[in-house]
Amino acid sequence: AQSVTQLGSHVSVSEGALVLLRCNYSSSVPPYLFWYVQYPNQGLQLLLKYTSAATLVKGINGFEAEFKKSETSFHLTKPSAHMSDAAEYFCAVSGGNTDKLIFGTGTRLQVFP
Amino acid sequence: EAQVTQNPRYLITVTGKKLTVTCSQNMNHEYMSWYRQDPGLGLRQIYYSMNVEVTDKGDVPEGYKVSRKEKRNFPLILESPSPNQTSLYFCASSPISAARNQPQHFGDGTRLSIL
Repeated sequence: AQSVTQLGSHVSVSEGALVLLRCNYSSSVPPYLFWYVQYPNQGLQLLLKYTSAATLVKGINGFEAEFKKSETSFHLTKPSAHMSDAAEYFCAVSGGNTDKLIFGTGTRLQVFP
Repeated sequence: EAQVTQNPRYLITVTGKKLTVTCSQNMNHEYMSWYRQDPGLGLRQIYYSMNVEVTDKGDVPEGYKVSRKEKRNFPLILESPSPNQTSLYFCASSPISAARNQPQHFGDGTRLSIL
């Protein structure tokens, strides 16, 4: 069975600081991994996805994530936080014989001026 | 504009009164799905559909029904709602060709309160 663990339900950073949101996955087959962002009162939007083409994946709004098989991780980073990055972020995994998308419990990012 | 449209966006109702949340997509996607989002639990899948007349249970299907009579529509039905179904609901769709690595497109959500 596949699963996703997001470490830290809340992360706070200052504007201009590095953003690091952690995601570890469990999968018995090569996974497809996604990061989604949810702004207040909105649905989820895709930030980026890993589908085995490259281990470093660049997404929208300056975010990127690196797939590390040895660590079963897919952490999301952004070099310099902006106030508009404040939102909830979800890591998700799919793959193998399932058509399900399994979500983590989410990390709420706060950005302080 | 490509979109997934849910209605209503907000609903307060009472226990036992049947309700339907509609979901429609204009992207000709075969795959559609319903999720519920609860604090601390993330998104959990309720039901999904691979194509017209093909539906399957997700992780939390109890108390819900769905139908897929047309490709674009995937309504969620609560026959006898209960307070534990108070939640934020999302509909999503994606192309069937690789549902496993295709990103899903989400609606803006429906906040249901069952009193």
